[in-house]
Amino acid sequence: NAGVTQTPKFQVLKTGQSMTLQCAQDMNHNSMYWYRQDPGMGLRLIYYSASEGTTDKGEVPNGYNVSRLNKREFSLRLESAAPSQTSVYFCASSERIGMNTEAFFGQGTRLTVV
Amino acid sequence: RKEVEQDPGPFNVPEGATVAFNCTYSNSASQSFFWYRQDCRKEPKLLMSVYSSGNEDGRFTAQLNRASQYISLLIRDSKLSDSATYLCVVNIGGGNNRLAFGKGNQVVVIP
Repeated sequence: NAGVTQTPKFQVLKTGQSMTLQCAQDMNHNSMYWYRQDPGMGLRLIYYSASEGTTDKGEVPNGYNVSRLNKREFSLRLESAAPSQTSVYFCASSERIGMNTEAFFGQGTRLTVV
Repeated sequence: RKEVEQDPGPFNVPEGATVAFNCTYSNSASQSFFWYRQDCRKEPKLLMSVYSSGNEDGRFTAQLNRASQYISLLIRDSKLSDSATYLCVVNIGGGNNRLAFGKGNQVVVIP
């Protein structure tokens, strides 16, 4: 079972460049999320999509945009990368937003902005 | 006050010993609680949900104390393979039922 698949796994960008992180899940989940994880900071929610066709901001949305392309895919775009966006990015999905629903994570994208 | 607070450690535990740690949360309306495990440079994975009455899964026991707003995880008979970071996760409710993550408790089991 593939679960949640993220691409790319590693990326180095120059300041000001743009890129899109791709995420796809094959579990027919309704909800999808993008988190970033920084040393000493824990996981922080960037954006989430409760269901196909909807997206909402999380804790740290500035500098990012998202697209819920269809039920399977949820992409994260950095329009003009900054060194502060150097981080590990995780995509996750769950059957629905709400109580006692397990979130499944992709393997992460390690992004360095120089 | 942070939404979820954990003492990051590390917790150095002799193999076979018991280790326990707590996590506090700030939103008294929170309804769902979880422990996730994250291995070095890997993604988090669900270890166990935490129920009001407390629950056990093999060597792992999770408890919830709503009055004091904390959850706990106890690992008995620690194995080398238990070395990981344990993330406290709380569904903070509200309009989006967002999951808030603690920074994690790093456990190192020593032979």
